[in-house]
Amino acid sequence: EPEVTQTPSHQVTQMGQEVILRCVPISNHLYFYWYRQILGQKVEFLVSFYNNEISEKSEIFDDQFSVERPDGSNFTLKIRSTKLEDSAMYFCASKGVYGYTFGSGTRLTVV
Amino acid sequence: DQQVKQNSPSLSVQEGRISILNCDYTNSMFDYFLWYKKYPAEGPTFLISISSIKDKNEDGRFTVFLNKSAKHLSLHIVPSQPGDSAVYFCAATYDRDDKIIFGKGTRLHILP
Repeated sequence: EPEVTQTPSHQVTQMGQEVILRCVPISNHLYFYWYRQILGQKVEFLVSFYNNEISEKSEIFDDQFSVERPDGSNFTLKIRSTKLEDSAMYFCASKGVYGYTFGSGTRLTVV
Repeated sequence: DQQVKQNSPSLSVQEGRISILNCDYTNSMFDYFLWYKKYPAEGPTFLISISSIKDKNEDGRFTVFLNKSAKHLSLHIVPSQPGDSAVYFCAATYDRDDKIIFGKGTRLHILP
């Protein structure tokens, strides 16, 4: 069964550092998303991406965040200068005819 | 602003019995509702959905009921099995192509 693959599974970074979270969506999907879940809270939408551009973003997705699909297979989320409150599980998802598929997530810990 | 609310953070049910997970929503514009299941260290996986034009959808042991007038939906699992122990997220969309708005989740424990 096709999967959305996320790497790394766990990332620890110092406050103020840049991080890049990587995702390989399902190959024939055209819509891509990042969601995050802060511990104990709900899963929140961050951004959607279609046709090589952002189609929608939440208020969480400020100037510190960016997304890219550099080579037609990877879909990355970059946080330029991490803050303690960026610590969360970050889920990548892609969407095809039969709906969403989520990856297993990257646990980001900012110290 | 919690548009999708799951007021029970956890629920314990005896194996073999019925599990009922509840969800309320505030936005009458939602037209599609979904339930996701999540195990530790995994992403949410789709379980079952219902369009706003229906009031019931059944898939094996899982049934989702929608009461639009009450802005309430519920997921019934019968009979409950040990592998059903997980966090269940209620979610909604404005249309099938839009972002998903999740509730906080309910942790279901199936007791032996």
